[in-house]
Amino acid sequence: AQTVTQSQPEMSVQEAETVTLSCTYDTSENNYYLFWYKQPPSRQMILVIRQEAYKQQNATENRFSVNFQKAAKSFSLKISDSQLGDTAMYFCAFMALTSGTYKYIFGTGTRLKVLA
Amino acid sequence: EADIYQTPRYLVIGTGKKITLECSQTMGHDKMYWYQQDPGMELHLIHYSYGVNSTEKGDLSSESTVSRIRTEHFPLTLESARPSHTSQYLCASSDQGAGVYEQYFGPGTRLTVT
Repeated sequence: AQTVTQSQPEMSVQEAETVTLSCTYDTSENNYYLFWYKQPPSRQMILVIRQEAYKQQNATENRFSVNFQKAAKSFSLKISDSQLGDTAMYFCAFMALTSGTYKYIFGTGTRLKVLA
Repeated sequence: EADIYQTPRYLVIGTGKKITLECSQTMGHDKMYWYQQDPGMELHLIHYSYGVNSTEKGDLSSESTVSRIRTEHFPLTLESARPSHTSQYLCASSDQGAGVYEQYFGPGTRLTVT
């Protein structure tokens, strides 16, 4: 069975600084996708970044980038130049394409607070 | 923002009432999901659908039921609400066949059963 682990329940970072959120997963699948989602307080869950397992290059979206280590089954999110609007719950998620199902496995989330 | 809608956004209802939470998406996605989430906590999959007339129970046992008669519509029904059903309910959709690998989420329905 696939699992996703986020070992940091809460983190804080000063505005304009860089922070890294960790995520590890376990799977025997070879073809899968990994995601980071952001859920601001009382607001809609939105996709931050997506990584295809077959791509070696780490995904980047503006200030957000990932460090994808397939062999280590690690998928961390780096937020550069943190902004107050980055304050949110961040969920790491996994979805395997080859298992015949399309279920997403979510981590327990990391609550990030950006301090002014 | 994604074109996935949930109504009502907030609902306070008494124990024993029957309620239906609505979820609709205009993206033509074939897969839809319902999650239960206590505020600021992890998501629990309670139902999913891979297409019209296809529904399955998720990983978290739930007393709710769902239907999928139309691609765009995936309502969730509680026949008899209880205080233990108090939570936030998130609807999501995806379409891997069309290259949409990520899920799009609705704004959620925050349910309180008194």
